Amino acid sequence: QKEVEQDPGPLSVPEGAIVSLNCTYSNSAFQYFMWYRQYSRKGPELLMYTYSSGNKEDGRFTAQVDKSSKYISLFIRDSQPSDSATYLCAMSAWTNAGNMLTFGGGTRLMVKP
Amino acid sequence: DAGVTQSPTHLIKTRGQQVTLRCSPKSGHDTVSWYQQALGQGPQFIFQYYEEEERQRGNFPDRFSGHQFPNYSSELNVNALLLGDSALYLCASSLRGEQYFGPGTRLTVT
Repeated sequence: QKEVEQDPGPLSVPEGAIVSLNCTYSNSAFQYFMWYRQYSRKGPELLMYTYSSGNKEDGRFTAQVDKSSKYISLFIRDSQPSDSATYLCAMSAWTNAGNMLTFGGGTRLMVKP
Repeated sequence: DAGVTQSPTHLIKTRGQQVTLRCSPKSGHDTVSWYQQALGQGPQFIFQYYEEEERQRGNFPDRFSGHQFPNYSSELNVNALLLGDSALYLCASSLRGEQYFGPGTRLTVT
């Protein structure tokens, strides 16, 4: 079993819909949680960065972390065709030894006009 | 302010050859991490450099080695290339927590 699980999709939604993307994880040492957006053949772009449990909002994006359930979510409001990409969740335990990121496999999102 | 840059963009190598990939971190960042991303998968951590030392290493063989220079730029070296080394190699830089990625180098091994 992978440390971080993510539904690969593809997830297809109409423009304007609310999108919910999720990841589950098994390592209780993870404290830092990130969401990246990756367009085809490009490097990942950091969207959200959160510490421990709780919610964080940035424009149309909301990240939620539930450490008790080992479950994180990214919500996208008023989705646009330009949001079509692969969304990667990533997590880190961050110790004095370093802060390597452990990624999920990514969810491919398609927003149709 | 330039972000993370990587070179080359794309290269093709033959099995058994050696390759060197380069990364310049975002201005002000002192930590560089390298990841390998196979097609259709999430990135896998190779190693992280801080103060010119390898600070953390993922589950990759010794064929993968690296270096960080005094200006914080970094190189990834892969020896004795295998077909399975074909992937997108990503460099990420950070100062504290948030890691910012470059565009990647796409390596094809034939």
